[in-house]
Amino acid sequence: GAVVSQHPSRVICKSGTSVKIECRSLDFQATTMFWYRQFPKQSLMLMATSNEGSKATYEQGVEKDKFLINHASLTLSTLTVTSAHPEDSSFYICSAREVPSTDTQYFGPGTRLTVL
Amino acid sequence: AQSVTQLGSHVSVSEGALVLLRCNYSSSVPPYLFWYVQYPNQGLQLLLKYTSAATLVKGINGFEAEFKKSETSFHLTKPSAHMSDAAEYFCAVRTYSSASKIIFGSGTRLSIRP
Repeated sequence: GAVVSQHPSRVICKSGTSVKIECRSLDFQATTMFWYRQFPKQSLMLMATSNEGSKATYEQGVEKDKFLINHASLTLSTLTVTSAHPEDSSFYICSAREVPSTDTQYFGPGTRLTVL
Repeated sequence: AQSVTQLGSHVSVSEGALVLLRCNYSSSVPPYLFWYVQYPNQGLQLLLKYTSAATLVKGINGFEAEFKKSETSFHLTKPSAHMSDAAEYFCAVRTYSSASKIIFGSGTRLSIRP
């Protein structure tokens, strides 16, 4: 099946710094990618929908200036957590929808962000 | 708007026993429904999906789910639990917007007793 990778798998940063997380579709093209965050022992909450070549669509309550999303190509979307704070510590998971569109989204393995 | 509700945040069964994880959906149109499994510190793996074809859907690892419109349910079952089934299970629904977002339920942690 289709594979989605994320890099890094784990990152620790200091408060106030910015962190970039990459999401790549390895063997298919994805016009749409999704970013989720998951707090410990909780469900996945959709943060934003990333569309290739256009601005991301953010879910209600998600600060778009804090969570910058760029989808520059059909195989890469990036999430940058700007001026990270300890409350941003979470598990971030991306998913990608294959072109042509199918009913299946392929999920990445996740990135564990810890802000000290 | 589409949504799913998972009943029971934690289910514990004995090895070899029946596994039943409950999920109810809310949708004004025929939904696309999914079950995903997540092992600790890992991403999601698709177990099975319902896309309005057969109401009984068979997935990987011996799991299956039955779509019951009259009960608005999509419960996940496995006849005989294995220790390796211990994980977090998420029921999910795909929205009908142009973005086709997947919305997840709150999750059910499955524990297997020896």
